[in-house]
Amino acid sequence: AQKVTQAQTEISVVEKEDVTLDCVYETRDTTYYLFWYKQPPSGELVFLIRRNSFDEQNEISGRYSWNFQKSTSSFNFTITASQVVDSAVYFCALTQPQGGSEKLVFGKGMKLTVNP
Amino acid sequence: DTGVSQDPRHKITKRGQNVTFRCDPISEHNRLYWYRQTLGQGPEFLTYFQNEAQLEKSRLLSDRFSAERPKGSFSTLEIQRTEQGDSAMYLCASTHTSRVYYGYTFGSGTRLTVV
Repeated sequence: AQKVTQAQTEISVVEKEDVTLDCVYETRDTTYYLFWYKQPPSGELVFLIRRNSFDEQNEISGRYSWNFQKSTSSFNFTITASQVVDSAVYFCALTQPQGGSEKLVFGKGMKLTVNP
Repeated sequence: DTGVSQDPRHKITKRGQNVTFRCDPISEHNRLYWYRQTLGQGPEFLTYFQNEAQLEKSRLLSDRFSAERPKGSFSTLEIQRTEQGDSAMYLCASTHTSRVYYGYTFGSGTRLTVV
């Protein structure tokens, strides 16, 4: 069975602070894909990043960085120098090749509020 | 590419009424997914289509729910005899089979409130 746990439910920071969002996943398969999505108040889920299970290289994109560690089954997301526009709910998700739906299994999400 | 469109954005209905939502995926995407998101939770898979065929349904999809995708284009999700527990955001997403592991494109959702 697949499971994604985002232990933090809500974080509030002041602008320019760094913030890390934790994600721990469970799967029995060796091949899987991990994602982070952002959901602003408007409601749509915005794709941020994808990582496959064979690529443990960390990634940086502007103020965003991701740390994938298979040894701890974690895929954490760090926002550096946070901005008010980063305020949203962030979801970690998992899928694996099933020869079927390849549906996404989401965590419960973490609401980030960045205050000016 | 106009993205995934969902209509309506909001729907308030009385318990027991039927409601129908529509999703227009990105035109070249052959896969279409429906998810349900309740307050404080992540989206949960309901069903998906590949072209016009509905290939998987979650146990969350009770017999009051039905989804269609005629001609493999837009999709509709109907809920009959709505209950207060149906209140949620209903999200549609699309992708192409060749890019299913690159993430879906989601619509803005339809927020249903059953009173």
